[in-house]
Amino acid sequence: DTEVTQTPKHLVMGMTNKKSLKCEQHMGHRAMYWYKQKAKKPPELMFVYSYEKLSINESVPSRFSPECPNSSLLNLHLHALQPEDSALYLCASSQVAGVTDTQYFGPGTRLTVL
Amino acid sequence: GQNIDQPTEMTATEGAIVQINCTYQTSGFNGLFWYQQHAGEAPTFLSYNVLDGLEEKGRFSSFLSRSKGYSYLLLKELQMKDSASYLCAVSLGGGSYIPTFGRGTSLIVHP
Repeated sequence: DTEVTQTPKHLVMGMTNKKSLKCEQHMGHRAMYWYKQKAKKPPELMFVYSYEKLSINESVPSRFSPECPNSSLLNLHLHALQPEDSALYLCASSQVAGVTDTQYFGPGTRLTVL
Repeated sequence: GQNIDQPTEMTATEGAIVQINCTYQTSGFNGLFWYQQHAGEAPTFLSYNVLDGLEEKGRFSSFLSRSKGYSYLLLKELQMKDSASYLCAVSLGGGSYIPTFGRGTSLIVHP
């Protein structure tokens, strides 16, 4: 199984809503990542978890709150988002943490903030 | 800052060969990834080059020249399904192990 799954596929939320994005992998990977991708732009790194601990936060606003409940799951909690946060949110995992390794991406959640 | 440059868009004909270039000027270099991303889908891994030279995988090949800060992805016998965005990503090395992505090249294959 070389799959990273993400739910939901699409999400529309208002600026006062609270929602969560979910990511799951069963490949035994020890690093998991959240990226944000705007149309026709490359993925931008948001957070990295290594061995279930937050190791990198790329100065992301606090309205985005990551959580790694166990080695297979990664959540991104959203609260009080702005319309400019509308984007494709990609989760990825890699086998080894802390070194360059091939990343496996999920299909993403298309988020629209009204 | 890190500079990774790719053409924004390329078009090619089904059955042809296309070369997508990526040049980089970065503070360090460990290796270079190529990913394919269809519209609205996840990026999928194509190749990772660390050493100079050409690596071939079926219809896709990737080339790296570390001294020139240059890589290319070569796609042969193009098929319509190859229409996608192709992202090159540089691993900077040192303490920075997360690859930095270029903006991607949108390839359109037409009949």
